[in-house]
Amino acid sequence: QQQVKQSPQSLIVQKGGISIINCAYENTAFDYFPWYQQFPGKGPALLIAIRPDVSEKKEGRFTISFNKSAKQFSLHIMDSQPGDSATYFCAAFNQAGTALIFGKGTTLSVSS
Amino acid sequence: DAGVIQSPRHEVTEMGQEVTLRCKPISGHNSLFWYRQTMMRGLELLIYFNNNVPIDDSGMPEDRFSAKMPNASFSTLKIQPSEPRDSAVYFCASSLTGEGGIQYFGAGTRLSVL
Repeated sequence: QQQVKQSPQSLIVQKGGISIINCAYENTAFDYFPWYQQFPGKGPALLIAIRPDVSEKKEGRFTISFNKSAKQFSLHIMDSQPGDSATYFCAAFNQAGTALIFGKGTTLSVSS
Repeated sequence: DAGVIQSPRHEVTEMGQEVTLRCKPISGHNSLFWYRQTMMRGLELLIYFNNNVPIDDSGMPEDRFSAKMPNASFSTLKIQPSEPRDSAVYFCASSLTGEGGIQYFGAGTRLSVL
């Protein structure tokens, strides 16, 4: 119940295309869903996050879509750029708990 | 602020040796997390401190691993004795209490045990 399942494991997108990464969770007690971005040789960094009381959050080219009934959420990267090439982790958090539960990660490569 | 600072950035050691990884969290943050990252297992939470007290160490793989936080600005993760299967990137992260979903990660320590 504490797992967050992320897909795909890897993704190759043409420059200018849309990158979509999906995640699913089981525990309905989760109340905060962040996405982290990690470049090679660096630690993960918070990219964008959403709470379950909204269905979508957009920040620039990055959008989170959230489906509470299906217990699924996804990251959309519009107009993908080579600089977006990184590993993306979805995560889930319960304010009453202690652990941020990470998905396994998606390695995105944007080809120019 | 300089962010979360980890040292060393790279560590190469021989099997059986003691390894100590260090972390300085962001000033004012009172929650600290140690993670291990491998290709096979992804990001694994090893241990979590709040106000310098270990809260959850269920992710520590075995007794060879230990972690301490003697004060609010310093934590160590020790492996004794080290084994080749401990080779991984170890990350430290910090957050404000109650905002554990927003964690700030250090650059990590890449450990290679030969």
